[in-house]
Amino acid sequence: AQSVTQPDIHITVSEGASLELRCNYSYGATPYLFWYVQSPGQGLQLLLKYFSGDTLVQGIKGFEAEFKRSQSSFNLRKPSVHWSDAAEYFCAVPPGNNNDMRFGAGTRLTVKP
Amino acid sequence: DTEVTQTPKHLVMGMTNKKSLKCEQHMGHRAMYWYKQKAKKPPELMFVYSYEKLSINESVPSRFSPECPNSSLLNLHLHALQPEDSALYLCASSQDHRGAYTFGSGTRLTVV
Repeated sequence: AQSVTQPDIHITVSEGASLELRCNYSYGATPYLFWYVQSPGQGLQLLLKYFSGDTLVQGIKGFEAEFKRSQSSFNLRKPSVHWSDAAEYFCAVPPGNNNDMRFGAGTRLTVKP
Repeated sequence: DTEVTQTPKHLVMGMTNKKSLKCEQHMGHRAMYWYKQKAKKPPELMFVYSYEKLSINESVPSRFSPECPNSSLLNLHLHALQPEDSALYLCASSQDHRGAYTFGSGTRLTVV
């Protein structure tokens, strides 16, 4: 079954600095991949998704992600982080033929002034 | 309407109480989900409804009972919960198989 791994539990960056959050997947074929963001006490919001085609995907709030089959990765990037980007970020994949999204462990982003 | 609405936002209940969580969407999505999320953890899938039929039950204890009265509504009935059931309960919906989910803002449940 498909699964995703987020190796970084917590990342701290300075406001204005660039950001890259890592996500590795395990699956033989091309997976469907998603990034979600969760602010404290809130639900999850979809940032972007990859189904097929162009491997560089643009999302909301200035985020992008690149699908790299050779590295089994789908890393999330942002060129300049804002204080409001502080949140929990989840990479996700539907592992089977059912409608069941499974989430990585999450990466908590702290933004320093 | 592009939202999933969950009520109530907060709920405190005793271990002998019966309560229900409600979830509503008007996007025409045919799949709806309940997730449980403990602090500092990812959401864990509990139930999946597809075309108003229960398609996945992730071995959830019977004190949690889902219901899908129609394509727009999803309920989670709670009875005889334990303190360890305290968590954020998230509802989500999606258009189709493997589609992107839309999440509600959750119900923060505390069992005392």
